[in-house]
Amino acid sequence: DAGITQSPRHKVTETGTPVTLRCHQTENHRYMYWYRQDPGHGLRLIHYSYGVKDTDKGEVSDGYSVSRSKTEDFLLTLESATSSQTSVYFCAIRSGPYTDTQYFGPGTRLTVL
Amino acid sequence: DQQVKQNSPSLSVQEGRISILNCDYTNSMFDYFLWYKKYPAEGPTFLISISSIKDKNEDGRFTVFLNKSAKHLSLHIVPSQPGDSAVYFCAASGETSGSRLTFGEGTQLTVNP
Repeated sequence: DAGITQSPRHKVTETGTPVTLRCHQTENHRYMYWYRQDPGHGLRLIHYSYGVKDTDKGEVSDGYSVSRSKTEDFLLTLESATSSQTSVYFCAIRSGPYTDTQYFGPGTRLTVL
Repeated sequence: DQQVKQNSPSLSVQEGRISILNCDYTNSMFDYFLWYKKYPAEGPTFLISISSIKDKNEDGRFTVFLNKSAKHLSLHIVPSQPGDSAVYFCAASGETSGSRLTFGEGTQLTVNP
């Protein structure tokens, strides 16, 4: 257990509405990540953070923004949700400075109608 | 450009037999490889990893083999148990990818009693 929680765990929203997903960690890890999981695609990186206010894009960042104002919280925002953003979203942390091993939260299932 | 590929979407084995899950990669700069297991409605769980300086790493019933010349890794589970039924993802990272992981599409393993 890497002390990662995600909220909400499930959300249904309508096209065009803004949505924010929250990732919270309790162990002061520097690196945090947002992924989406879709059938046939595995896990794809959306954005990641390497410190407070330090973020960078992943491979599928279009339509998403992130913010990290505190070490423990990493927020993912869909400014105007689309049906193609229906997915399961996972947050992860990197377990230490000398390893690339990541540990994942329980996920948020988002449905955009 | 799919840099990490798992060509078998599914695998079915009998309890007690060996399960072999395969993964191929194209990026020769990858030097760290991981396997994750994922149950439905849960986040991926780290299983085992291997550095490119090794060709084998073992942890209980799980062994990962790395063939650098073929750019291929495999996960062996011996003996397989019904509780091993899950989706397995391989992932890779390297110096040029920073701390980011690139995931394969996943293989659904079913272990039949």
